[in-house]
Amino acid sequence: EAGVTQFPSHSVIEKGQTVTLRCDPISGHDNLYWYRRVMGKEIKFLLHFVKESKQDESGMPNNRFLAERTGGTYSTLKVQPAELEDSGVYFCASSPWAQGGNTIYFGEGSWLTVV
Amino acid sequence: GDSVTQMEGPVTLSEEAFLTINCTYTATGYPSLFWYVQYPGEGLQLLLKATKADDKGSNKGFEATYRKETTSFHLEKGSVQVSDSAVYFCALRGTGFQKLVFGTGTRLLVSP
Repeated sequence: EAGVTQFPSHSVIEKGQTVTLRCDPISGHDNLYWYRRVMGKEIKFLLHFVKESKQDESGMPNNRFLAERTGGTYSTLKVQPAELEDSGVYFCASSPWAQGGNTIYFGEGSWLTVV
Repeated sequence: GDSVTQMEGPVTLSEEAFLTINCTYTATGYPSLFWYVQYPGEGLQLLLKATKADDKGSNKGFEATYRKETTSFHLEKGSVQVSDSAVYFCALRGTGFQKLVFGTGTRLLVSP
């Protein structure tokens, strides 16, 4: 069974440009999450989809970030325009259920560098 | 809100040494607790978990016990290997429809 896949694995863009990150969750997982780790700090929650609906987007830092999950399958996270402080690794994760001890499976991350 | 505190790294050990990485948490109710690991150049992998008080999670020689009385979930391994060098993240997830809350991560460096 394929795991959570993310694309691109690495991206270097200039300040002011746009980047779109894609995530394909594990097949059948209704719950999809985006997290990021910036500058070696803690991994922070960005948002949570249940199928195509945004369940919780309280971690989105500002309106330069837009996440979508049309059709409830793959998701995209767009950063427009990118700023230097957006550099970091963006993790996507999925799970079949959202509650308690259910395991959340992470992808390998998309490493973003804004120069 | 919920939070996780981990010991700061890096933790530097020689091969076959005993490892402890401390993790304490603050949460309402009865959260589930996790340890994730990120090996160099790779993504996050679940290492072990515990879903209720006094549960012990274990995997690959690592263990952690859910201690509600001390709100702790310390990671231990009796004999580390060079291949254990990685960043270890403690995390919790509250009851209900909750997100994972991570600690800052602890880098472990094991030398031969």
